[in-house]
Amino acid sequence: EVRLLESGGGLVQPGGSLRLSCAASGFTFSSYAMNWVRQAPGKGLEWVSTLSGSGISTYYADSVKGRFAISRDNSKNTLYLQMNSLRGEDTALYYCAKAEAYDQSGVDHWGQGTLVTVSS
Amino acid sequence: QLVLTQSPSASASLGASVKLTCTLSSGHSSYAITWHQQQPEKGPRYLMEVNSDGSHNKGDGIPDRFSGSSSGAERYLTVSSLQSEDEADYYCQTWGTGIVVFGGGTKLTVL
Repeated sequence: EVRLLESGGGLVQPGGSLRLSCAASGFTFSSYAMNWVRQAPGKGLEWVSTLSGSGISTYYADSVKGRFAISRDNSKNTLYLQMNSLRGEDTALYYCAKAEAYDQSGVDHWGQGTLVTVSS
Repeated sequence: QLVLTQSPSASASLGASVKLTCTLSSGHSSYAITWHQQQPEKGPRYLMEVNSDGSHNKGDGIPDRFSGSSSGAERYLTVSSLQSEDEADYYCQTWGTGIVVFGGGTKLTVL
């Protein structure tokens, strides 16, 4: 059974930083791309970033480019999202989501999310 | 520009069927999409992938009441024999070079 468990969310001041983690199990982690997707309160799903299975190819939404960095440790089956220069509009529930293939593709499994609140 | 368009809301009666639509932007009619369900106060759940030829591959444990189909740039999710727990937000998703896109979601109300 595929399991994705996010952690690292919390309250942070504008301009601050936070690092999210996603522990994966139940599949060959290095064979699949992984995504971060967020959902602001009362809003729809917004793609944030994708990382290929090898960790070589990275993709970002324009709204986070230059501020967020996605990475993975395939030896630990863990995905990360380093978030810097945080803004109020980054407040959201952040989901880790497994892709169907090695590079960008459909999402086929979701974690339960970790809440990030950016406020002074 | 790769965009997915969904109607904001839909409604149908308990036991009836409903067909939700996700429309791909011009020039992207060959793209596959995935459907996801988000029940109130819960995380999203993958339902299925729908290809341009109408074939679809469902996720583990997804009831037969859920099915997918295609016509041109439109991708459909049909839910039959509606149950109260089907009341949820439904999102479609696709991907292109360097980008992943979600539709705005359709809120389904079961009457």
